[in-house]
Amino acid sequence: DAKTTQPPSMDCAEGRAANLPCNHSTISGNEYVYWYRQIHSQGPQYIIHGLKNNETNEMASLIITEDRKSSTLILPHATLRDTAVYYCIGRSNSGGYQKVTFGIGTKLQVIP
Amino acid sequence: KAGVTQTPRYLIKTRGQQVTLSCSPISGHRSVSWYQQTPGQGLQFLFEYFSETQRNKGNFPGRFSGRQFSNSRSEMNVSTLELGDSALYLCASSLDRGGISAKNIQYFGAGTRLSVL
Repeated sequence: DAKTTQPPSMDCAEGRAANLPCNHSTISGNEYVYWYRQIHSQGPQYIIHGLKNNETNEMASLIITEDRKSSTLILPHATLRDTAVYYCIGRSNSGGYQKVTFGIGTKLQVIP
Repeated sequence: KAGVTQTPRYLIKTRGQQVTLSCSPISGHRSVSWYQQTPGQGLQFLFEYFSETQRNKGNFPGRFSGRQFSNSRSEMNVSTLELGDSALYLCASSLDRGGISAKNIQYFGAGTRLSVL
């Protein structure tokens, strides 16, 4: 599985875009990058995932560099409810079975 | 559609006891994974079950075990509890087993918070 590195914490002003970086320099060719977030005392919530191309859904956008060694999760208009710990995760198809490794994540604080 | 349900939500045990946690996956999901979350170690993978068989296992001692039933519901057991087992235990389900497809998005339950005294 890819080892991922994220900054431990970030602040973002409410209404502004939050850009959360993730380094996954050891990612292999078949590994997707997944992003989850965890709001205090709840289970992690899936946000988005991608392999090579940039992805967008109703929650966020994911920008993956061409060499796939890093990615950025973008929350276009952060709200106070986006305050959470964001995890960038490497996933692999290991003999047909999935294994997910979470790092420490980035604690995003959205400031009013 | 109901989400992943974990019971109980909170549990207090004493050292040396054993505990069983339960997880009901989203209807139609066949894969269930378990994670332990502590402030110091973050989220750590325990094991994954698919079709009633353990498919993958993290680096935890044999005191941690689990099983999956034919209806995909899963239980996790911890024997001879230690103080360090105090944690939030999370269950996640996905439609299918490993593979690089969108079917393998994991959906998490709210967790069971275990306190060992």
